[in-house]
Amino acid sequence: DAGVIQSPRHEVTEMGQEVTLRCKPISGHDYLFWYRQTMMRGLELLIYFNNNVPIDDSGMPEDRFSAKMPNASFSTLKIQPSEPRDSAVYFCASSFRGQTFSGANVLTFGAGSRLTVL
Amino acid sequence: DQQVKQNSPSLSVQEGRISILNCDYTNSMFDYFLWYKKYPAEGPTFLISISSIKDKNEDGRFTVFLNKSAKHLSLHIVPSQPGDSAVYFCAARGGGSQGNLIFGKGTKLSVKP
Repeated sequence: DAGVIQSPRHEVTEMGQEVTLRCKPISGHDYLFWYRQTMMRGLELLIYFNNNVPIDDSGMPEDRFSAKMPNASFSTLKIQPSEPRDSAVYFCASSFRGQTFSGANVLTFGAGSRLTVL
Repeated sequence: DQQVKQNSPSLSVQEGRISILNCDYTNSMFDYFLWYKKYPAEGPTFLISISSIKDKNEDGRFTVFLNKSAKHLSLHIVPSQPGDSAVYFCAARGGGSQGNLIFGKGTKLSVKP
């Protein structure tokens, strides 16, 4: 299995531009998560989906952020318009409800997309 | 307000010695705790977990201890190896069949040869 695949790995853009980050979860996984990592806030959950349906988007910072999961093998996180404070590493993760380690469902993370907004 | 806190941003240990990484939490409803390890330019990878009904879980060189009364957990690595140098994240699960994970800010461990 290729794991969780994210693209692009690096994105540099100018303030005001639209940014789209992409994620392909592990085949068969029914949960998908978007996290953001910054120095100040660490790893914070933005949104997660179950069977392609958004379950909790309370972590999405503001209306400039949106996420979609049109099918089980693809998700996007869009920022429009982007701002310098959006600069961070964005991680996608997926999990399968039936797979546990000591009872805890374990998330498998992608390598991340590093976003720099100038 | 942070529900999961890792108060030490960094830790340096000599190879062969014990590494102890600490984590505090505030929410008594958390039912599972996990540790993830992260190398540069990679995503976090699962290391070990513990249920809130247990106080210890061991996997090879890695042991996690949970003190519920103190709302504190720790990860022990014995013996530490240079390949253990990474950022370690403590995470807590909010309950339910698939709650999201709440992460601490991480502790950067450096194991010196």
